[in-house]
Amino acid sequence: AQRVTQPEKLLSVFKGAPVELKCNYSYSGSPELFWYVQYSRQRLQLLLRHISRESIKGFTADLNKGETSFHLKKPFAQEEDSAMYYCALTGGGGNKLTFGTGTQLKVEL
Amino acid sequence: GAGVSQSPSNKVTEKGKDVELRCDPISGHTALYWYRQSLGQGLEFLIYFQGNSAPDKSGLPSDRFSAERTGGSVSTLTIQRTQQEDSAVYLCASSLLNTLSTDTQYFGPGTRLTVL
Repeated sequence: AQRVTQPEKLLSVFKGAPVELKCNYSYSGSPELFWYVQYSRQRLQLLLRHISRESIKGFTADLNKGETSFHLKKPFAQEEDSAMYYCALTGGGGNKLTFGTGTQLKVEL
Repeated sequence: GAGVSQSPSNKVTEKGKDVELRCDPISGHTALYWYRQSLGQGLEFLIYFQGNSAPDKSGLPSDRFSAERTGGSVSTLTIQRTQQEDSAVYLCASSLLNTLSTDTQYFGPGTRLTVL
């Protein structure tokens, strides 16, 4: 069975501090990993996906198959980064997403 | 163009009643998904429609839940004999069918269901 674990329900950091949102997964094959974000009063939207290997809004995430992790990182947190972040995986081919329980990021001034 | 839309935005019902939730996907998107977002459970997959193929119903929690997609576009999620544990935000998403990789799923605003 596939599973995504986000150990932190809430992460609070100061503006300008580095951010790391943790995500670990279990999957028997080769998954595709994603980070979704939900800002206050907005709909859930894709932030980034591991196959794109790109930086979005200063965020990056590297798939570590040895540690089965896909942590989300940003060197300098900004106030507008405050949101709910979900890590998700799929087996590929346009199928269902399995989500973690989410981490609420709060960036304080 | 317009994104995924869902109606109603909020629904309050009494235990035991049936409810219907509607999803209008992005025009041209052939894949449609329903998820449920509830406290303590996070986001759970419910059902997935892909083109003309039989839907993947593996996430439906009980036989009180059903969904259909008419004409390959609009979808309706029906919950019969609602229970208090059905209270949640029901999210719909759609994507282009892409056999090479997993296409981006675009989510609707959700329907907040409250069962009294």
